[in-house]
Amino acid sequence: GQNIDQPTEMTATEGAIVQINCTYQTSGFNGLFWYQQHAGEAPTFLSYNVLDGLEEKGRFSSFLSRSKGYSYLLLKELQMKDSASYLCAVSFTGGGNKLTFGTGTQLKVEL
Amino acid sequence: DVKVTQSSRYLVKRTGEKVFLECVQDMDHENMFWYRQDPGLGLRLIYFSYDVKMKEKGDIPEGYSVSREKKERFSLILESASTNQTSMYLCASSLEGVNYGYTFGSGTRLTVV
Repeated sequence: GQNIDQPTEMTATEGAIVQINCTYQTSGFNGLFWYQQHAGEAPTFLSYNVLDGLEEKGRFSSFLSRSKGYSYLLLKELQMKDSASYLCAVSFTGGGNKLTFGTGTQLKVEL
Repeated sequence: DVKVTQSSRYLVKRTGEKVFLECVQDMDHENMFWYRQDPGLGLRLIYFSYDVKMKEKGDIPEGYSVSREKKERFSLILESASTNQTSMYLCASSLEGVNYGYTFGSGTRLTVV
């Protein structure tokens, strides 16, 4: 199968930094996405990685290592509104635009 | 503002009913997808479509069918609803090309009683 693994839950403090990890099967890898989903809402696009390295977008950054089958989403200067589920999704070759999603990491930001 | 619109936010249906979930996008996207989202299982792909009248099975197509008669509209059909189809259903669309992410609709929470 094309398992995508990420932690189920994480808790962090407002103003801190948190790193959410995602591991996936390397065979056929064709790109990785991160989405944010607030409770009761649709997922929204955060980032896309296809080459190794770090992509930075304001407070959010995403890292990819293709050889290790590993990505992380880094959230800096956490705010209460960052409390949400973060979904890692991978595109595999032969699947076109089809994405396979991890089960999501529920992040709780506390005061 | 670009949009993917799902016809119903909440839906309650009886076991055995035929259920239609509608999804419309206004972005001229080639690709459209239906996922269901369940706690602990994440998003699982039911069906997708690359073009009008084209459809492909996803990972969990059993008990479902789809229709794409027009580019902007992708319908999910539960032929005979069952209680294990109680779930959040999410429609998404994307441009052709692997680096384009999805735009999701707001979801339909379906309860089958």
